[in-house]
Amino acid sequence: DVKVTQSSRYLVKRTGEKVFLECVQDMDHENMFWYRQDPGLGLRLIYFSYDVKMKEKGDIPEGYSVSREKKERFSLILESASTNQTSMYLCASSRGQQQETQYFGPGTRLLVL
Amino acid sequence: GENVEQHPSTLSVQEGDSAVIKCTYSDSASNYFPWYKQELGKRPQLIIDIRSNVGEKKDQRIAVTLNKTAKHFSLHITETQPEDSAVYFCAASIRRGTFGTGTKLQVIP
Repeated sequence: DVKVTQSSRYLVKRTGEKVFLECVQDMDHENMFWYRQDPGLGLRLIYFSYDVKMKEKGDIPEGYSVSREKKERFSLILESASTNQTSMYLCASSRGQQQETQYFGPGTRLLVL
Repeated sequence: GENVEQHPSTLSVQEGDSAVIKCTYSDSASNYFPWYKQELGKRPQLIIDIRSNVGEKKDQRIAVTLNKTAKHFSLHITETQPEDSAVYFCAASIRRGTFGTGTKLQVIP
């Protein structure tokens, strides 16, 4: 059974703080993703990674960076948090080169004050 | 890049009735079309998917149809039950993660 975990369920940060969100998957999946979910906007892709040390921008990368030093771990970094980054952040992973099912983590609800 | 539109944004049906959610996509190269269900406070989970070499797929009360020429696909839920109440997301070109904006389905007992 695929397991995707995220480091925190809830986070409260102040404007300007550096924020780290971590995601770990235990199924040796090649692909990992970070989304943010906002009401009425669905799931918007921030960054994704096809392999260790590889990353590609999604639809809304501004204000975010990512790191993938190990296959099982994908980190999302907010260099200087802003109030408009208050959101639900979802991590996901999938296997292989072909288009496959994505397995999601439980989400991190981030509030930036 | 891929663009996915999903309609309606909200849908209320009486228990036992059918529900249909529709999505259109823009990239004709897309060949994988999953549907995810997200219950309140939980993570999205795959409920059914279809690949471009298939026109229709059914799993008990859930079915998905695909029209590649028109670039649209639909989710059909028959004999709806209260536990079907959730937000449903369609997606296309899934490796890159292009999702629709979601449909909130409410099944009224």
